[in-house]
Amino acid sequence: GIQVEQSPPDLILQEGANSTLRCNFSDSVNNLQWFHQNPWGQLINLFYIPSGTKQNGRLSATTVATERYSLLYISSSQTTDSGVYFCAVFPANFGNEKLTFGTGTRLTIIP
Amino acid sequence: NAGVTQTPKFQVLKTGQSMTLQCAQDMNHEYMSWYRQDPGMGLRLIHYSVGAGITDQGEVPNGYNVSRSTTEDFPLRLLSAAPSQTSVYFCASSYSVSINYGYTFGSGTRLTVV
Repeated sequence: GIQVEQSPPDLILQEGANSTLRCNFSDSVNNLQWFHQNPWGQLINLFYIPSGTKQNGRLSATTVATERYSLLYISSSQTTDSGVYFCAVFPANFGNEKLTFGTGTRLTIIP
Repeated sequence: NAGVTQTPKFQVLKTGQSMTLQCAQDMNHEYMSWYRQDPGMGLRLIHYSVGAGITDQGEVPNGYNVSRSTTEDFPLRLLSAAPSQTSVYFCASSYSVSINYGYTFGSGTRLTVV
C-alpha cells in the first residue's frame, strides 16, 4: 500500500517562530488532508488540498501532487498550536475509501 | 450539534469481554469508517462502509465486526477483547465516497483491555 512519511517527527519551537512540516507519499493520490490533533486528542481538519496552495490565517499548505509531497506552514507560532500534525492521503486507486495517515509531527511551542 | 458522536469516551474491559463502540452522525454522510490510534503509529483503518448495508475491511480488521443498518449509525463490536486492542478508537464520516469532501472525525473512545 501507499506509504506516507512525515518530517520532522518532533519539533520544539519558541512562541513566535515559524515552522514547516513536510509530508511525502509514495504513490499517486486523489487528495490530501492535514489534521491537527490537540492535547485532548481531538482531530481537527486544517486543510483539504489536492494541489496548489491554501491559506487560513497563520497556517498555509501547499501540495505538489506530481512530486508527491505536501508542506504545512505555521507562522508566528502560539502555544495553542502544540499537538500532533497528521498528513493523510486518499490513494488514487481506492477513490475516497481508504484515507491513509502518516505517523505525524509532534509540535511543542514553548512560551 | 451536527457532527460525529462517539460513545463511550472511556472504557476498561477485561480480557475476553465483549462490547460495542457506538458512532453516530447526523450529516447524512454516505461514508463512515473506524480507525485505531496507537502510540507512534498514526491512525490505521479497521473497517469502513460506503452506505447502509455495505461494509468492508480496512488495514487491521481482525478481532472487530461492524454493521451498517442505517445511514446514521456505524457500531464497532469487539467480540472477545484482547490486550492488543488497547487503543484510542476514532470514527469518521464523509459526505460522499465518489467525491472527495474530506473526513470529519469523532472525539474518540479510549479503550483499555486488562
